[in-house]
Amino acid sequence: QLQLQESGPGLVKPSETLSLTCTVSGGSINSGYYWGWIRQPPGKGLEWIGTTSYGGNTFYNPSLKSRVTISVDTSKNQFSLKLTSVTAADTAVYYCVRQEYSGSYFYDYWGQGTLVTVSS
Amino acid sequence: QSALTQPPSASGSPGQSVTISCTGTSSDVGAYNYVSWYQQHPGKAPKLMIYEVSKRPSGVPDRFSGSKSGNTASLTVSGLQAEDEADYYCNSYEGSNNWVFGGGTKLTVL
Repeated sequence: QLQLQESGPGLVKPSETLSLTCTVSGGSINSGYYWGWIRQPPGKGLEWIGTTSYGGNTFYNPSLKSRVTISVDTSKNQFSLKLTSVTAADTAVYYCVRQEYSGSYFYDYWGQGTLVTVSS
Repeated sequence: QSALTQPPSASGSPGQSVTISCTGTSSDVGAYNYVSWYQQHPGKAPKLMIYEVSKRPSGVPDRFSGSKSGNTASLTVSGLQAEDEADYYCNSYEGSNNWVFGGGTKLTVL
């Protein structure tokens, strides 16, 4: 059974960089699927952040594009998120997901989510 | 990129049917049959319920169905059960490798 697990600091200071890693187990990241990040501010809805292929083909939400980088480490079966210059508005639960990208688009596997709080 | 429009809340009694709408534009919902729906219980990760407008993943009860007309997609839950009480989110492809979610609908089983 495929599993995704987010890891990283739960507290980040304003203006600093948020860094999270998603570890994929029970399957290979080189499987032809795409991998992504979605976030949810407390009490609010879901927001797509970005998507990557195992080969590093990346797509970002236009509203976050200038601050986001998603990268893949196939040797560790992991992919990562970096979000720079964070503010309180970036406080959210961050989910890593597997995204179907071959002839269809949907998110079929989700990590449990990790809360990142931006505060000094 | 604007969020798709969903009603904030919906409700129904056990056994009844309820429909949740998801309104976009001719650039997203109206342009592509790549609408998916997610169910989220409190404190849990979302779960895929419907993809490609009306297809159900394995394991999702057939009480859940999806449809689309023009720029509006809909999720219908028939034979409501207590465990269906959750938040529901729609998602659509909007071209140029961008995807957008709806604001979410809280479904209450009365």
